[in-house]
Amino acid sequence: EPEVTQTPSHQVTQMGQEVILRCVPISNHLYFYWYRQILGQKVEFLVSFYNNEISEKSEIFDDQFSVERPDGSNFTLKIRSTKLEDSAMYFCASSEFAGKTYEQYFGPGTRLTVT
Amino acid sequence: AQSVSQHNHHVILSEAASLELGCNYSYGGTVNLFWYVQYPGQHLQLLLKYFSGDPLVKGIKGFEAEFIKSKFSFNLRKPSVQWSDTAEYFCAVTSGGYQKVTFGTGTKLQVIP
Repeated sequence: EPEVTQTPSHQVTQMGQEVILRCVPISNHLYFYWYRQILGQKVEFLVSFYNNEISEKSEIFDDQFSVERPDGSNFTLKIRSTKLEDSAMYFCASSEFAGKTYEQYFGPGTRLTVT
Repeated sequence: AQSVSQHNHHVILSEAASLELGCNYSYGGTVNLFWYVQYPGQHLQLLLKYFSGDPLVKGIKGFEAEFIKSKFSFNLRKPSVQWSDTAEYFCAVTSGGYQKVTFGTGTKLQVIP
């Protein structure tokens, strides 16, 4: 069964550094998403992306964040200058459609630790 | 804005016990409802989903959920849990034209052999 994959599984970075989290969505999917889960808290929506542009973003997704689909397979989340509070598990998801009946398939996550 | 409430944060059951996890959502329009499971060290997996039709939805691994529109609820049930059901369970909702999934806070289920 096709799966969403994410790399790396764990990223440790120093405060102020830039990080890029990578995702390979399911190949025929058109809609891509990033979520995060701070330890002990719920999964929170960050951003959705379709047709090479952001279709929706949350208040968490400020100017420090950006997303890109640099080629036909990867979908990346960049955090420009990491803060301690960016430490979380980041999940990528993809879906075939965003209409009435669809489901999002989640990747295994990247644990980001900012020190 | 849509929101999801899960009332049980941590549930401990013995094997073969019945399970019911509560989920209430807040949104006045048409909703799509989901239950996801996250086994220890693994990623989120879809257990079941409700879009329309029969409000009693059957999912994988013997789980089912019932959508009660008047109560804004979508409770998850399983008649007899197994040790392998130990995991965290998330209720989630999407609505209208919005693409984002709004998750509840999750319920950690621990099944004791």
